[in-house]
Amino acid sequence: AQTVTQSQPEMSVQEAETVTLSCTYDTSENNYYLFWYKQPPSRQMILVIRQEAYKQQNATENRFSVNFQKAAKSFSLKISDSQLGDTAMYFCAFMRSGGGATNKLIFGTGTLLAVQP
Amino acid sequence: ETGVTQTPRHLVMGMTNKKSLKCEQHLGHNAMYWYKQSAKKPLELMFVYNFKEQTENNSVPSRFSPECPNSSHLFLHLHTLQPEDSALYLCASSQEFFAGGNGYTFGSGTRLTVV
Repeated sequence: AQTVTQSQPEMSVQEAETVTLSCTYDTSENNYYLFWYKQPPSRQMILVIRQEAYKQQNATENRFSVNFQKAAKSFSLKISDSQLGDTAMYFCAFMRSGGGATNKLIFGTGTLLAVQP
Repeated sequence: ETGVTQTPRHLVMGMTNKKSLKCEQHLGHNAMYWYKQSAKKPLELMFVYNFKEQTENNSVPSRFSPECPNSSHLFLHLHTLQPEDSALYLCASSQEFFAGGNGYTFGSGTRLTVV
């Protein structure tokens, strides 16, 4: 069974600074996807960024980038130039791919990020 | 318009009540999901529907009863709940049932409190 671990329950960063959220996962699969979701106080989970395991290049979306280390099973999220609107709970998630795998997302426990003015 | 709409936003119910949560998606997706979100725990997948057929029930107690009349609507019927069932219930949809790696689109959830 796959598991996702987020070891930082809470983090804080100053506005305009850079912060990195950690995520590790455990799987015996070779093909999979990894995601970071953001859940602001409005409660709606929003997809921030996704990574396909077969791609060596780290995914980037504007101020958000990941450091994907497949051998170490690590998938950290870097937020550059933090903004007050980045304050939210961030969830790391895993999904198998290929071979008839169903679309099941497995989540970590989340990291609550507070951006301070 | 979020694409996935959940009602009600908040719900307080007694342990002997019967209530229903509603989820509607306007995205033309084929798969829909119910998740339970409790503090300090990973999101728990409860039910999965593909083209309105239930494909997964993750050992959810029978006091939770899902219904999917079509690919756009998903309900969660609740009866004789326990206080530990208090949580945020999230609905999500995805374009494909078999892993396409596009992730899910989520609703804003229903905050359920059982008293």
